[in-house]
Amino acid sequence: AQSVTQLGSHVSVSEGALVLLRCNYSSSVPPYLFWYVQYPNQGLQLLLKYTSAATLVKGINGFEAEFKKSETSFHLTKPSAHMSDAAEYFCAVSLNTGGFKTIFGAGTRLFVKA
Amino acid sequence: DGGITQSPKYLFRKEGQNVTLSCEQNLNHDAMYWYRQDPGQGLRLIYYSQIVNDFQKGDIAEGYSVSREKKESFPLTVTSAQKNPTAFYLCASSKGVGGGPGTEAFFGQGTRLTVV
Repeated sequence: AQSVTQLGSHVSVSEGALVLLRCNYSSSVPPYLFWYVQYPNQGLQLLLKYTSAATLVKGINGFEAEFKKSETSFHLTKPSAHMSDAAEYFCAVSLNTGGFKTIFGAGTRLFVKA
Repeated sequence: DGGITQSPKYLFRKEGQNVTLSCEQNLNHDAMYWYRQDPGQGLRLIYYSQIVNDFQKGDIAEGYSVSREKKESFPLTVTSAQKNPTAFYLCASSKGVGGGPGTEAFFGQGTRLTVV
């Protein structure tokens, strides 16, 4: 069965520091992976997605993620955190069920300190 | 602009009442989804629909019902059988089968339901 695990429900960084949010997946077939961001009381917005075209994926707002098959990981990074990055981040995997449905991780809340 | 509209943004329900949450999309997407979000639990799938007049139960369908009479609309009814309905509900849509597995979901702004 396919699943997604996000390591750390809360991550705190200083403004200007590296952001690293961890995501591991389990899948019996090549996965399709996503990172979404959610600001308070809003819906989710796509940051980036991996669809096997390239292992390093660049997204919006300076975020990127690297697909590592050997580690079954898809960690999200940003070189320098900004206060506006404070939000909740979700890793997700797409499942083929005759159509496609998305399974989400539990989420990681990012705090950015001034 | 294309997008997904959920209404209302906030909803209060008395115990024993059924309430219906609205979700409308103008993205011409085939697939639509309902998720429930609780603190620390991420998003859990309630129901999804890949095509008009067809829908499937997700992981936590008990106490909920849906319909898909039009491509644009996928309303969710929270029935009195749902024992703990207070949560944030998110509707989403995607291209579905035609878009392939790498197609992303687009989300509405959510409805916060509170039982009073």
